[in-house]
Amino acid sequence: GAVVSQHPSRVICKSGTSVKIECRSLDFQATTMFWYRQFPKQSLMLMATSNEGSKATYEQGVEKDKFLINHASLTLSTLTVTSAHPEDSSFYICSARDREQGGGYTFGSGTRLTVV
Amino acid sequence: GQQLNQSPQSMFIQEGEDVSMNCTSSSIFNTWLWYKQDPGEGPVLLIALYKAGELTSNGRLTAQFGITRKDSFLNISASIPSDVGIYFCAGQGYGGSQGNLIFGKGTKLSVKP
Repeated sequence: GAVVSQHPSRVICKSGTSVKIECRSLDFQATTMFWYRQFPKQSLMLMATSNEGSKATYEQGVEKDKFLINHASLTLSTLTVTSAHPEDSSFYICSARDREQGGGYTFGSGTRLTVV
Repeated sequence: GQQLNQSPQSMFIQEGEDVSMNCTSSSIFNTWLWYKQDPGEGPVLLIALYKAGELTSNGRLTAQFGITRKDSFLNISASIPSDVGIYFCAGQGYGGSQGNLIFGKGTKLSVKP
């Protein structure tokens, strides 16, 4: 089945630094990937839709200059949290859709970001 | 915008009991998905439903796509300790931004051996 690899699984960074999270579709091509944020005991909230070869589409309230998304190839999307602050600490999850396999959404294993 | 109401929020059951949870929407979806999330992990797809009225099983799990297209339920029969986790429903609307998934708030399942 479709596999999405997300790295790193955990990262601790200092306030003011930037962190990059990678999301790769391992055995399929994904023209669209999605980035979610999940706070403890809450549901997944869509942050942005990452489109291969074009600009990402951000949800209302998500700062595009703070959460930089790059989808340079059909198998890789990256999310960079710039100038991270403690309030950015959260669980970030990516997903990708394999249109050739019926359009199911496969999720990565998530990245736990802690900003200190 | 589209919203999903998922209930119950949490369940505490005895091993062997059956479980039922459901989601309702304020608008129509063309796809309903049920996911399970373990702590510190991403959601894993359990069942996907693509047609109104569809009833699909995956082992001890059964889910149905409501005929109104505004609701879905997930049943787990004969629960076991490894069923513990958070279950999310997700709906997908039609086209454009409505093609993105919208998640329910989750049902936390606890199973007592």
